[in-house]
Amino acid sequence: TQLLEQSPQFLSIQEGENLTVYCNSSSVFSSLQWYRQEPGEGPVLLVTVVTGGEVKKLKRLTFQFGDARKDSSLHITAAQTGDTGLYLCAGDPRDTGTASKLTFGTGTRLQVTL
Amino acid sequence: EPEVTQTPSHQVTQMGQEVILRCVPISNHLYFYWYRQILGQKVEFLVSFYNNEISEKSEIFDDQFSVERPDGSNFTLKIRSTKLEDSAMYFCAGRSWNTEAFFGQGTRLTVV
Repeated sequence: TQLLEQSPQFLSIQEGENLTVYCNSSSVFSSLQWYRQEPGEGPVLLVTVVTGGEVKKLKRLTFQFGDARKDSSLHITAAQTGDTGLYLCAGDPRDTGTASKLTFGTGTRLQVTL
Repeated sequence: EPEVTQTPSHQVTQMGQEVILRCVPISNHLYFYWYRQILGQKVEFLVSFYNNEISEKSEIFDDQFSVERPDGSNFTLKIRSTKLEDSAMYFCAGRSWNTEAFFGQGTRLTVV
């Protein structure tokens, strides 16, 4: 069974601060996706990282895929209240061309206050 | 921008009743999924569906659950006899051959 552990589980910071969320596994993934989920809504895709060591930037968000493709991090610079939400990483084994399922991480709930 | 549509957004049902949750995936998607998320818990995989048959299912997806895509458009999840512990958000997702998964807004199922 592939497991993805996210840390921290909860994070409460003030606007303007920086933060990093970690997503770790003992399994290798073909790719890893980060989603953000608002209460009562579905996960919304933020980014996909595919290559070991890859770094992707989305405005103030920086995503990195570990060299061994077992872990990933999300760094937010100068957090804003609009960044508040549940951040989910999801690993895709994609070992074959089949309908491989995503394995979701445990989630990090971020609250950004003024 | 195309999106995955789920109906209803909220369903309240009595224990023991059958419910059908509906999803209209993005038209060019090939693989379809149902996930659920119990309040405050992680998103859990239920079932994947490809080429009109189940590809994989989890332990959660027991005999009370079934899926079908009867008309090549709608993708449904049926729970035959709901239990209290079936209360959760149910998400439909779809993907194409080499793309990310895109999720619907979810159906909140409340079993009373």
